[in-house]
Amino acid sequence: NAGVTQTPKFRILKIGQSMTLQCTQDMNHNYMYWYRQDPGMGLKLIYYSVGAGITDKGEVPNGYNVSRSTTEDFPLRLELAAPSQTSVYFCASSRGENTIYFGEGSWLTVV
Amino acid sequence: GENVEQHPSTLSVQEGDSAVIKCTYSDSASNYFPWYKQELGKRPQLIIDIRSNVGEKKDQRIAVTLNKTAKHFSLHITETQPEDSAVYFCAALTGGGADGLTFGKGTHLIIQP
Repeated sequence: NAGVTQTPKFRILKIGQSMTLQCTQDMNHNYMYWYRQDPGMGLKLIYYSVGAGITDKGEVPNGYNVSRSTTEDFPLRLELAAPSQTSVYFCASSRGENTIYFGEGSWLTVV
Repeated sequence: GENVEQHPSTLSVQEGDSAVIKCTYSDSASNYFPWYKQELGKRPQLIIDIRSNVGEKKDQRIAVTLNKTAKHFSLHITETQPEDSAVYFCAALTGGGADGLTFGKGTHLIIQP
């Protein structure tokens, strides 16, 4: 049972480039989330999804897009990368009113 | 939306002493309050959680208390050990969980030998 798996673990992007962070979970959780964590700070919600085909904005959605075509996968797309998007990104999943499980994180640097 | 405040931002205690971290929340509809431990370069890991129908919960050296009236909850770690050194985050969940957790800004706990 792998839990929440996200790739890549590390990535360096140039300003203006685009990329997709992949996230998949094998726990059959309906709810999935993307958070970002800036150095020395807490986690802020970027986007979330309550099921396949349904997504919604969180606290800091600007510059990102998501899709949820299956229960298992919830990729995060960065369009036109900016230095302000340098952060650690965590994908997470849950059954709703229960424990939220995090992936191992993706370290992204935009230069 | 929900707002979670966490104090202190840094806490240094002697090994063997107790540590207390406090959080307040703003939305009275919040009903689930987990605590996560995050070691450097690692993902947040759940260490204990409490629901709004419970006032206190213990798990070995760790306990959490919740005061719904005052809208605050606290993490208590007794007999601290070097491996307790980490950043601890409190969080609150409102409603059915669709909006995800709202996190505090974290407390860096340092255990002095």
